[in-house]
Amino acid sequence: GDSVTQMEGPVTLSEEAFLTINCTYTATGYPSLFWYVQYPGEGLQLLLKATKADDKGSNKGFEATYRKETTSFHLEKGSVQVSDSAVYFCALSDDRDDKIIFGKGTRLHILP
Amino acid sequence: ETGVTQSPTHLIKTRGQQVTLRCSSQSGHNTVSWYQQALGQGPQFIFQYYREEENGRGNFPPRFSGLQFPNYSSELNVNALELDDSALYLCASSLDRGGTEAFFGQGTRLTVV
Repeated sequence: GDSVTQMEGPVTLSEEAFLTINCTYTATGYPSLFWYVQYPGEGLQLLLKATKADDKGSNKGFEATYRKETTSFHLEKGSVQVSDSAVYFCALSDDRDDKIIFGKGTRLHILP
Repeated sequence: ETGVTQSPTHLIKTRGQQVTLRCSSQSGHNTVSWYQQALGQGPQFIFQYYREEENGRGNFPPRFSGLQFPNYSSELNVNALELDDSALYLCASSLDRGGTEAFFGQGTRLTVV
């Protein structure tokens, strides 16, 4: 079945460092891809999404490009802030059944 | 603020008991999904309701059941609680089926002792 694999954390970076969180997926159809963020004590928030190959999703300085040839959707940010500390989930959704399949999450710590 | 509210925020139950978790979706959202998030894991799809009927189910036993009401509220019921049911339960509402954006509530933390 469909699945998402993302790099394990925790990831610890200094403020203003470059961030990459790797994500690859397995899907039989043509899924939409998402990054969700979960701040401490809060629910999931959609960070960005891409619905077809070569689409780039972006929000709050974060970017991810839907790469069908490598089945990847890596999250990047050029300069992280302490406020970016959270757990990040890569996910996919197939229009066939609407459920969202999540990766295990990557905890990000940003040090001042 | 997603406009999706869940209650209660925390709950402690004893093994074998039954529990009902509640969710209030955004007004106008016809679809609600429930997810279980175990500690250190990503959310796992339990089931989805569309216009008050079940519209898909994940790999969860029948003791997990749900209801969706016309006033955009919904319930997740779990019977015969087991220790492994301890998790964060998330509700997500979306305008319609078919890949529209899902808005998540803050979750209910269930502890089974």
